Amino acid sequence: AQSVTQLDSQVPVFEEAPVELRCNYSSSVSVYLFWYVQYPNQGLQLLLKYLSGSTLVKGINGFEAEFNKSQTSFHLRKPSVHISDTAEYFCAVSEWGSQGNLIFGKGTKLSVKP
Amino acid sequence: DAMVIQNPRYQVTQFGKPVTLSCSQTLNHNVMYWYQQKSSQAPKLLFHYYDKDFNNEADTPDNFQSRRPNTSFCFLDIRSPGLGDAAMYLCATSRVGLVLANDTDTQYFGPGTRLTVL
Repeated sequence: AQSVTQLDSQVPVFEEAPVELRCNYSSSVSVYLFWYVQYPNQGLQLLLKYLSGSTLVKGINGFEAEFNKSQTSFHLRKPSVHISDTAEYFCAVSEWGSQGNLIFGKGTKLSVKP
Repeated sequence: DAMVIQNPRYQVTQFGKPVTLSCSQTLNHNVMYWYQQKSSQAPKLLFHYYDKDFNNEADTPDNFQSRRPNTSFCFLDIRSPGLGDAAMYLCATSRVGLVLANDTDTQYFGPGTRLTVL
């Protein structure tokens, strides 16, 4: 069965510092990978997704993620964060051949301090 | 230009009193999903509709039901809410709901309804 692990439940950083949010997955088949962001009391918004091709994926708001098949990881990065990036970030997978159901990690709360 | 709309945003109900949450979409997508997200947890898929075909997740309690009267609307009915059902309920849509070899649908989420059970 597929699963997603986000090792860090909370990540505090200072404004303009770089950040990396970690995501590891397990699956017996090929997967698609996603990062969603959730601002307080709002729904989920897609940041970026990896389907195939280049392992470095660029998303909205200056975020990017790198797919590493050998390490089964899909870490999210941003070189310089803003206060407005404070939110919860969810990594998710969807298996090839499925109906597109998403399996989410437990989320990482990013807190950007001035 | 809201694409996935959920009403109400906040719902309070009493223990055991049936409650219905509403979701509508302007995207004309074939697939609609309901997720339950408890505090500090990942969203968990309850069920989804592919057109009129209902797909229930194996571990979704019988207390949760859903209706999709047309393409635009989907309802989540909780027949007898318990304290453990307090959560954020997220509705999402996708165009075809298939994971293809070279592309996959994006799921578009609504803002959610936060359910409180007293």
